[in-house]
Amino acid sequence: AQSVSQHNHHVILSEAASLELGCNYSYGGTVNLFWYVQYPGQHLQLLLKYFSGDPLVKGIKGFEAEFIKSKFSFNLRKPSVQWSDTAEYFCAVNPYNQGGKLIFGQGTELSVKP
Amino acid sequence: DARVTQTPRHKVTEMGQEVTMRCQPILGHNTVFWYRQTMMQGLELLAYFRNRAPLDDSGMPKDRFSAEMPDATLATLKIQPSEPRDSAVYFCASGPRAGGPTTFANTGELFFGEGSRLTVL
Repeated sequence: AQSVSQHNHHVILSEAASLELGCNYSYGGTVNLFWYVQYPGQHLQLLLKYFSGDPLVKGIKGFEAEFIKSKFSFNLRKPSVQWSDTAEYFCAVNPYNQGGKLIFGQGTELSVKP
Repeated sequence: DARVTQTPRHKVTEMGQEVTMRCQPILGHNTVFWYRQTMMQGLELLAYFRNRAPLDDSGMPKDRFSAEMPDATLATLKIQPSEPRDSAVYFCASGPRAGGPTTFANTGELFFGEGSRLTVL
């Protein structure tokens, strides 16, 4: 079945630690890729997106993600996390020609200790 | 600042009652999505529309849920009758058309509303 998998359900880090959240998808064709963030009690907001071109994309707040087509992966990274990065992070895939439908992974909850 | 607007923000109701949630997408966006978020299931796609036409509602329990888009500025999600297992946060999201107004492509980039938190007792 077509799906989006996020490797970690809950990640706990100390401030200034480096972050990498894994995301793999199982769609075989062309896809657009996204990471969304949901701060506690808030709605989802776009962190970054990949449509084409340079597979290393930079988003807001120092986040970046790398698309590795051969591995069907789109991992999110940040060199040094802050307490304010505490949130839930969702990887999402838009399979080409599916009307803009966005399929989400199950989410990774990030807790950053001050 | 353009945003997706959802009402109500919070709703507490009793089992068996009808619940209607409303969404005003961002002006000019041509896709509207309804997602449900729970701790157990995460984000589930319930239904979505493009140019007001329903494209997929396979994620919705058909016997009690219905989604409509009476005009370009309003999408509704109705539950009748509601059950305790429907308790969740319901998000509406809208998406822009990729390219110019004559294209039908959508990139999947979505803008989410703040959600309607439903509690069914």
